[in-house]
Amino acid sequence: GAVVSQHPSWVICKSGTSVKIECRSLDFQATTMFWYRQFPKQSLMLMATSNEGSKATYEQGVEKDKFLINHASLTLSTLTVTSAHPEDSSFYICSARALAASSYNEQFFGPGTRLTVL
Amino acid sequence: GDSVTQMEGPVTLSEEAFLTINCTYTATGYPSLFWYVQYPGEGLQLLLKATKADDKGSNKGFEATYRKETTSFHLEKGSVQVSDSAVYFCALSDRGANSKLTFGKGITLSVRP
Repeated sequence: GAVVSQHPSWVICKSGTSVKIECRSLDFQATTMFWYRQFPKQSLMLMATSNEGSKATYEQGVEKDKFLINHASLTLSTLTVTSAHPEDSSFYICSARALAASSYNEQFFGPGTRLTVL
Repeated sequence: GDSVTQMEGPVTLSEEAFLTINCTYTATGYPSLFWYVQYPGEGLQLLLKATKADDKGSNKGFEATYRKETTSFHLEKGSVQVSDSAVYFCALSDRGANSKLTFGKGITLSVRP
């Protein structure tokens, strides 16, 4: 149980285009989803926290107009990278926290999406 | 703010060797501590956790003890296997309703046959 999927697993796009990444919790309902960015040989950096039905909370330094997050249902959150540029190339990972959160608030992670902007 | 520091990698070991991966943390509150593992081409998986001081988390032969006095959560395994080759992340989470994970940089473990 507790499977999170991401789609696509990789995407290549031209500079200036927008890219949408989907994150789905397949067998549980997620009140909260998180979006991370991972640079090569570095840690995961939290970009934003997304609660179903409300606006996402962005971490300091993350442009909310650049990285649009929508959490339309308890099983789906989307991240749209608008007007992508080469510096946006990265590995984007989502995670989901279950509706019936345990005492330690475990997050379940998706497999990640590799974005390459040419 | 909260932070997690992991030892520098990568680490290469022979099969059946003993493994220690160091992790220390700084936190303003009383966090929960985690080790996550990322196998090649896959997402992060929770390996083990500890939610209070002196707790020992264990799974798949790996162990880590929550040491509040030294603010550490070192990962150990007595005999590694080739299948343990992966990236290991130490992380902490505060205890609020909107708790977030703070990760260390991760360390790559390669186990030779």
